[in-house]
Amino acid sequence: DAGVIQSPRHEVTEMGQEVTLRCKPISGHNSLFWYRQTMMRGLELLIYFNNNVPIDDSGMPEDRFSAKMPNASFSTLKIQPSEPRDSAVYFCASSPSGDNQPQHFGDGTRLSIL
Amino acid sequence: RKEVEQDPGPFNVPEGATVAFNCTYSNSASQSFFWYRQDCRKEPKLLMSVYSSGNEDGRFTAQLNRASQYISLLIRDSKLSDSATYLCVRGEYGNKLVFGAGTILRVKS
Repeated sequence: DAGVIQSPRHEVTEMGQEVTLRCKPISGHNSLFWYRQTMMRGLELLIYFNNNVPIDDSGMPEDRFSAKMPNASFSTLKIQPSEPRDSAVYFCASSPSGDNQPQHFGDGTRLSIL
Repeated sequence: RKEVEQDPGPFNVPEGATVAFNCTYSNSASQSFFWYRQDCRKEPKLLMSVYSSGNEDGRFTAQLNRASQYISLLIRDSKLSDSATYLCVRGEYGNKLVFGAGTILRVKS
């Protein structure tokens, strides 16, 4: 079975540019999560969706970040404009709906903003 | 106080050793707990769930102590391939997870 699929795997761009990260959750999983991981701050939850609806976006650092889930099989995380401090690994994860469900992570997108 | 606290390590142990990690959490209402493993430059992967009094899977044993609000992970007969960062995770309302910063394990021959 296919796991969570993220693209691109790596992105290097100059500050000020728009960055779009993509995620396809595991088929049948109703919940989708976007995380950011850095050495300094560890793994941070940015936003999560249940049944395509954003439930908690309190982790989104600022208005430059936005996320959408137009259907059950696709989500995007967009940064506009990007800044060097946004450099991190961004993970997407999905899980079945309901309490006490573990999450399954994609390979991540390694983002570098120059 | 961090929601999930772990000793960052690193724990340096020889092959075959038994090693244990502890993790404390601050939300007594948490119902679910997990241990994830993360290899260098890879994604976190579920190692095992800890739901009630504990869980065992081969060389790995996880224990939960609700009264003291901590969980532990015991690894017996350590292998070189066990070298990784181990993340302690607690579940929140719905299916939101809160991750600890991780404990680094290095198993040496």
